[in-house]
Amino acid sequence: AQSVTQLDSQVPVFEEAPVELRCNYSSSVSVYLFWYVQYPNQGLQLLLKYLSGSTLVESINGFEAEFNKSQTSFHLRKPSVHISDTAEYFCAVIPKPGTYKYIFGTGTRLKVLA
Amino acid sequence: DTEVTQTPKHLVMGMTNKKSLKCEQHMGHRAMYWYKQKAKKPPELMFVYSYEKLSINESVPSRFSPECPNSSLLNLHLHALQPEDSALYLCASSQLPGPGGNEQFFGPGTRLTVL
Repeated sequence: AQSVTQLDSQVPVFEEAPVELRCNYSSSVSVYLFWYVQYPNQGLQLLLKYLSGSTLVESINGFEAEFNKSQTSFHLRKPSVHISDTAEYFCAVIPKPGTYKYIFGTGTRLKVLA
Repeated sequence: DTEVTQTPKHLVMGMTNKKSLKCEQHMGHRAMYWYKQKAKKPPELMFVYSYEKLSINESVPSRFSPECPNSSLLNLHLHALQPEDSALYLCASSQLPGPGGNEQFFGPGTRLTVL
């Protein structure tokens, strides 16, 4: 069965430090990859996505993620975090084109410390 | 308009009540979804509607009854719920699956508490 692994359940980091949130997926075929952010008591907001093309994708608020097919990874990075980045981050995969269902990772709680 | 709206924001109900959750989108999406999310967990898919027809039911108990009256609206009717059904209920919408990908747009959710 397809799966998405977010190994880190919690990542504490000091403000203005860099951060990497890890996501690995199991799939032998082309996939679509997403990172969503969820602030407390809110819905999920799309942060960035990889469908095809350039393997490095960027969001408007300074996050980036790189699709690495050989390592089946889609890690999320930010060079300098802010207190406001404190949230839950979910990696999600559509394992093959034509399907409705996301496979979600278990989530990583990013806590930015002052 | 890239927003999915959900009402109510919060709902408290007893185990014998009947209530409904509502979801609306005006992005022209033809796929709509209901998810249940427990604390510190990822969303769990409950139902998918495609062209206003139920496409996927993830073996959800019959006390949850979805309805899609038109392409913009999605309801979730609740009856005889159990305390363990307390959760955040999320609605989402997307384009139909295809080569362009079908990213889902989520609403803010309804926080449901069953007493």
